Amino acid sequence: EADIYQTPRYLVIGTGKKITLECSQTMGHDKMYWYQQDPGMELHLIHYSYGVNSTEKGDLSSESTVSRIRTEHFPLTLESARPSHTSQYLCASSAGQSNEKLFFGSGTQLSVL
Amino acid sequence: SQQGEEDPQALSIQEGENATMNCSYKTSINNLQWYRQNSGRGLVHLILIRSNEREKHSGRLRVTLDTSKKSSSLLITASRAADTASYFCATARGGGFKTIFGAGTRLFVKA
Repeated sequence: EADIYQTPRYLVIGTGKKITLECSQTMGHDKMYWYQQDPGMELHLIHYSYGVNSTEKGDLSSESTVSRIRTEHFPLTLESARPSHTSQYLCASSAGQSNEKLFFGSGTQLSVL
Repeated sequence: SQQGEEDPQALSIQEGENATMNCSYKTSINNLQWYRQNSGRGLVHLILIRSNEREKHSGRLRVTLDTSKKSSSLLITASRAADTASYFCATARGGGFKTIFGAGTRLFVKA
């Protein structure tokens, strides 16, 4: 069982609201990631972090932002949610010099009405 | 796809049969990994094969890698209904900070 937690599990929200998806891990991993996944589709990397105060954009352009003030915490924020942001958001972490094993949270299913 | 192709997209078999899923990728890799995802959940790491390895086993799982063809296969032997899930291959490249996933194969194992 991976020690990486995402909250909330489900979120239904109206257009224009600001939201923050939480992700925390207790494994002391330096690297953390956010992936976006539509039902039955591939995962797209939208943000990643090498460690504290490090954040990078992934391969898929996203209007979301992230922060990494503490090793264990990697929240994702949408300033103004839109229906196009409806998707599943998966947080992951890994240790070591290269990505040999990612640990995933259970995901947040976001629906923007 | 950002990663390549996985086939089949969906596979339906009877319990006890073997399931084979294939993955192709586009660029040189450090390693290739397979993950499992139950519906609506996060992914779970199954097995990793390095670029200098050709075959690897873990329980009922067998993974092969052919770097000349840029392809890999995952074999699940003696499948069970509990194996029903989506299976994704993923590759780590270059500096290794990006792990890129394929579109996945949906496996249905009928009891």
